[in-house]
Amino acid sequence: GQQVMQIPQYQHVQEGEDFTTYCNSSTTLSNIQWYKQRPGGHPVFLIQLVKSGEVKKQKRLTFQFGEAKKNSSLHITATQTTDVGTYFCARSNFGNEKLTFGTGTRLTIIP
Amino acid sequence: DGGITQSPKYLFRKEGQNVTLSCEQNLNHDAMYWYRQDPGQGLRLIYYSQIVNDFQKGDIAEGYSVSREKKESFPLTVTSAQKNPTAFYLCASSMKGGQRQETQYFGPGTRLLVL
Repeated sequence: GQQVMQIPQYQHVQEGEDFTTYCNSSTTLSNIQWYKQRPGGHPVFLIQLVKSGEVKKQKRLTFQFGEAKKNSSLHITATQTTDVGTYFCARSNFGNEKLTFGTGTRLTIIP
Repeated sequence: DGGITQSPKYLFRKEGQNVTLSCEQNLNHDAMYWYRQDPGQGLRLIYYSQIVNDFQKGDIAEGYSVSREKKESFPLTVTSAQKNPTAFYLCASSMKGGQRQETQYFGPGTRLLVL
């Protein structure tokens, strides 16, 4: 399947610092979804981006879709301990219902 | 409550045995999916189904089998042909399995350990 590269693999931040994870594709994406998986839990849908250059916000979380629709980012402002977990991006192909997940970025917070 | 249930939460299997993982949803979703997650890794698609009595192989289907006899149910069998079955298995469903990608809702998962 078509790869989705996600960086960094791990991120340790001091509580209150910002955090960003990036998702990159070599081919154009029809849309990108973001999921969060708490330790020991299951992935939970956060958001879907569809339009070129789209920016969406959910409280302290900001999601961006690149102008060329080949990359996306998730930025968390002023992290809290509740933000701990692994963040995955997931792509689907045009006309294809399958999702391909990125490798995820595991966020840990230092209190 | 609407949602996806998976059972059991933990499952132990002896080498050479087949084992079936249950996945049930009452969300009236058309599409269902099975993923495998290894420690510290992402999710890899095993099988998916867009409609009853139809399913397709994902990226790592070897050693697994599925059935979709009812809309609500999508059981996964891990066969003895699967050489490294120890993993966290996640079932998901979505409203449509058609052209537009819908949100996937995940069950709590089953942790399979081969003894």
